[in-house]
Amino acid sequence: AQSVTQLDSHVSVSEGTPVLLRCNYSSSYSPSLFWYVQHPNKGLQLLLKYTSAATLVKGINGFEAEFKKSETSFHLTKPSAHMSDAAEYFCVVSASARQLTFGSGTQLTVLP
Amino acid sequence: DSGVTQTPKHLITATGQRVTLRCSPRSGDLSVYWYQQSLDQGLQFLIQYYNGEERAKGNILERFSAQQFPDLHSELNLSSLELGDSALYFCASSVTPTGKGDTQYFGPGTRLTVL
Repeated sequence: AQSVTQLDSHVSVSEGTPVLLRCNYSSSYSPSLFWYVQHPNKGLQLLLKYTSAATLVKGINGFEAEFKKSETSFHLTKPSAHMSDAAEYFCVVSASARQLTFGSGTQLTVLP
Repeated sequence: DSGVTQTPKHLITATGQRVTLRCSPRSGDLSVYWYQQSLDQGLQFLIQYYNGEERAKGNILERFSAQQFPDLHSELNLSSLELGDSALYFCASSVTPTGKGDTQYFGPGTRLTVL
């Protein structure tokens, strides 16, 4: 079985400050982990993915995430938020199952 | 632009009706996945097809069915529609059928409203 928990449903930051979106996962097998972003009225876009190579994964638009097996976490970070980062972010796990299991999402608000 | 296309973008219909949602995967992708996104259930996997054959089933209702055609496009059929079926329906595609570690590319979605 696999599951993912996004610890914050809403995160608000000021433009230019760091972003931290938290994700914990549960998996019976060695998982693959993803972060997707969904802008309003748009589809889902892949930010980055972890597939058992380097534990620090760099994605698009300055985002990165670190896989920590001991903590079963895969938190998403960005050093400096931009207004265009305002969107909903989904942490996703894929283990033995063929399908993706999505977290409940974190809505990121960026304040000017 | 992910390369996955979905039609129509919006669909408004009445309870009890039947609708068909269409998806064309990225060029070269053989796997198609369908997801439902609703306010109360979040994003849920419905069903996967690979090269015309069903490969995995998720939380898909019996009133819903899907198929993948020889040209690899897929259709999701929703029948006896209920108010609770109102949602955003996404299609995704990937190269391989395994899922794990394989990147899925999502289409823009079809927003279904059942009145």
